[in-house]
Amino acid sequence: QVQLVESGGGVIQPGRSLRLSCTASGFTFSSFAFHWVRQAAGKGLEWVAAISYHGTKEYNSDSVKGRFTISRDISKNTLYLQVDSLRTEDTAVYYCARAQYFYGSAYAFDVWGQGTMVTVSS
Amino acid sequence: DIVMTQTPLSLSVTPGQPASISCKSTQSLLHSDGRTYFYWYLQKPGQSPQLLMYEVSNRFSGVPDRFSGSGSGTDFTLQISRLEAEDVGVYYCMQTIEFPPTFGQGTKVEIK
Repeated sequence: QVQLVESGGGVIQPGRSLRLSCTASGFTFSSFAFHWVRQAAGKGLEWVAAISYHGTKEYNSDSVKGRFTISRDISKNTLYLQVDSLRTEDTAVYYCARAQYFYGSAYAFDVWGQGTMVTVSS
Repeated sequence: DIVMTQTPLSLSVTPGQPASISCKSTQSLLHSDGRTYFYWYLQKPGQSPQLLMYEVSNRFSGVPDRFSGSGSGTDFTLQISRLEAEDVGVYYCMQTIEFPPTFGQGTKVEIK
């Protein structure tokens, strides 16, 4: 069964750090690029970060640049998001998502995890 | 960044009746490879988003044929021919022609 399972969320004070994990199963992890997408309560979807299938390219949204780092461990089939210098506006459910390339460079997120909640509060 | 604007933001539909959602982008989503990098997602209550349509009009695996997508360039539409109870949730459009990928604000569809 193809699935992604996130973990690592919690309640944390502003300025602190957290590492989110996303463990994949049911498919060849190393063959796919992955993204993190977040959703504040009652709000829409916001793209956060991406890592290429070979793991050599990383991308971040401007809102998290310099604070969030995406990485992967192929031996553990796990994607990570290191979130540093947390702010109250980072409070959200964080989803990991697999990028499926349908043709050429056209991709969409075809598998999503269940999400992990991060609450930044003093 | 490319801005995706959906209308309406909410929709109340009688079961069995059609529903339509529009999404407009601030730039053309037609790539030089001839494909259009435009997608629709549905987030059912309490669930993660799920891919519905890819490249405008292609239904993803398992998506019922009552869903159809159309459009080109900057204007796109998702149509549900006969709404069923399981179709309630928030629908999002998304583009991936340019980084960062961006989503529409979402359209909440509920049963009347």
